Amino acid sequence: QKEVEQDPGPLSVPEGAIVSLNCTYSNSAFQYFMWYRQYSRKGPELLMYTYSSGNKEDGRFTAQVDKSSKYISLFIRDSQPSDSATYLCAMSANSGGSNYKLTFGKGTLLTVNP
Amino acid sequence: GAVVSQHPSRVICKSGTSVKIECRSLDFQATTMFWYRQFPKQSLMLMATSNEGSKATYEQGVEKDKFLINHASLTLSTLTVTSAHPEDSSFYICSARGGNARAKNIQYFGAGTRLSVL
Repeated sequence: QKEVEQDPGPLSVPEGAIVSLNCTYSNSAFQYFMWYRQYSRKGPELLMYTYSSGNKEDGRFTAQVDKSSKYISLFIRDSQPSDSATYLCAMSANSGGSNYKLTFGKGTLLTVNP
Repeated sequence: GAVVSQHPSRVICKSGTSVKIECRSLDFQATTMFWYRQFPKQSLMLMATSNEGSKATYEQGVEKDKFLINHASLTLSTLTVTSAHPEDSSFYICSARGGNARAKNIQYFGAGTRLSVL
């Protein structure tokens, strides 16, 4: 079993739809959870950062972490064609000994159709 | 968010030559910098981790003599692909993390360098 599982998609939705992206993980030591957006041929851009369980909202984006289920989600409201990208979940343990390495999901390719 | 600059964005070189890629943190001191490689439609593969003033730590299977990493200051790390061959063609991305206690686990990424070896 991989440490982080993420459905690669592709996911195609109409403009204005609510998008739900998810990752599951197996390492209970993970405490820091991030979502990155990566446009084609570009580096990943940090969207959301959450520590431990709970919800965090930023504009049209909401990140949820459920540590009891080892499940994290990213919701995008009122999706726009400009949201079309690959979304990567990433997580790390609170471990300076590991240099705070991130473990990534495979990424979900999202297309928002006008 | 913090800004990481990576240069060049695109490089084409002949087989056997060496290529240097620079990664700079522009508005924060990067305690640690990371170098990744990404194949088409795949996630990021960590190549090595470097702390300022220390030797880089390479992931299993990554040739340290092939991919030379220098982290000479808190704002600059370089990756040199030595004697490049066509199989080294890939998308290389750097990232940096700072020492800020609240955000110590966050990595900020450069825009990536697309290397093509002819």
